Amino acid sequence: DTEVTQTPKHLVMGMTNKKSLKCEQHMGHRAMYWYKQKAKKPPELMFVYSYEKLSINESVPSRFSPECPNSSLLNLHLHALQPEDSALYLCASSQRAGTENYEQYFGPGTRLTVT
Amino acid sequence: SQQGEEDPQALSIQEGENATMNCSYKTSINNLQWYRQNSGRGLVHLILIRSNEREKHSGRLRVTLDTSKKSSSLLITASRAADTASYFCASRGTSYGKLTFGQGTILTVHP
Repeated sequence: DTEVTQTPKHLVMGMTNKKSLKCEQHMGHRAMYWYKQKAKKPPELMFVYSYEKLSINESVPSRFSPECPNSSLLNLHLHALQPEDSALYLCASSQRAGTENYEQYFGPGTRLTVT
Repeated sequence: SQQGEEDPQALSIQEGENATMNCSYKTSINNLQWYRQNSGRGLVHLILIRSNEREKHSGRLRVTLDTSKKSSSLLITASRAADTASYFCASRGTSYGKLTFGQGTILTVHP
């Protein structure tokens, strides 16, 4: 199984809502990532988890809260978002998170719209 | 901030033609990777070239790497309409856990 799954595919939320994005992989990868992608732009790294521990936070606002309950699951909790947070949120995984020659496997993304 | 620059930003060709995309990066790398993204979907890994390699092939894909110029190119031969997508280079530097993506090239292949 070389698939990364993400739910939901689409999410519309108001600025006062709390919602969560979910990501799952069963490839035995020990590194998982959240990216944000705006239209016609490259993905921007948000968070990196290595062995279920947060290893990189790219100065992401606290209204985004990541969680890695186990080695297969990655969540992104959303609260009090702004309209400019509307984007495609991509989850990815790789064998390890170091500087070695590992490719990343991406999920299909969650299209988030904040109203 | 994004290190990588890609050119062209957009490329439109006919089926059967070759497509070449270029990528530049700014710092030392361990490897450089190319990804494809169909409209509004996740990225798919195409090929990885290590810093000590100069050329790599995978099917219709040919990637070159010139570390002295900090640049790479992706050649897609005998393109097909199904190759229509955005293509991103991504450099794996010495910074733990990070891939730095280029701005991407939008490729359109007309049948």
